[in-house]
Amino acid sequence: QSVLTQPPSASGTPGQRVTISCSGSSSDIGTNTVNWYQHLPGTAPKLLIHNNNQRPSGVPDRFSGSKSGTSASLAISGLQSEDEADYYCAAWDDSLDGLVVFGGGTKLTVL
Amino acid sequence: EVLLVQSGAEVKKPGESLKISCKGAGYRFTSYWIGWVRQVPGKGLEWMGLIFPADSDTKYSPSFRGQVTISVDKSINTAYLQWSSLKASDTAIYYCAKRTEGAFDSWGQGTLVTVSS
Repeated sequence: QSVLTQPPSASGTPGQRVTISCSGSSSDIGTNTVNWYQHLPGTAPKLLIHNNNQRPSGVPDRFSGSKSGTSASLAISGLQSEDEADYYCAAWDDSLDGLVVFGGGTKLTVL
Repeated sequence: EVLLVQSGAEVKKPGESLKISCKGAGYRFTSYWIGWVRQVPGKGLEWMGLIFPADSDTKYSPSFRGQVTISVDKSINTAYLQWSSLKASDTAIYYCAKRTEGAFDSWGQGTLVTVSS
């Protein structure tokens, strides 16, 4: 069972805005920053958002992140077919000697 | 360009040992933690542990401590993940990733490990 809680699935139609939630605790999200990863089957995961809301170079501004208290969310606006992938949140956990915890992942389907 | 190149797919029998590798290039290898992440078929990502190449400081997820060993040879910019006795439940894709300021910003291509009798 994952430490961070994500909905197992999400969906939207092209052009729509979708959000994916990530719920944690005071020792992980409540204390540390949240990162989001995009994972397409058969490829390496890709860093999508770091430090709660920062996009690495090359990530479209359609992707945005936010954090409040012990929860975080990823928003994707102007949904495109190539956004269909698995999305994972992650944070460092101070209760585990500074180790990483992942969410269970959310499979995004573009209808 | 930062690259993490992992060793190829492996097919092993239960009880056998295995060491897979992750070679870094395009950056100062000793300055960044390297992490290992497992993905069991059909399941999500699980963080296993990480190592700091400069001094081999290693941290393990409680779920993987004692089950695997993470090591590094900084002379050849390579990190390793090894098992002394594989189980069928170790069948998975294993990724290495470079940590920068709290996030894993570069990932290897993954190594598929299949354990079957």
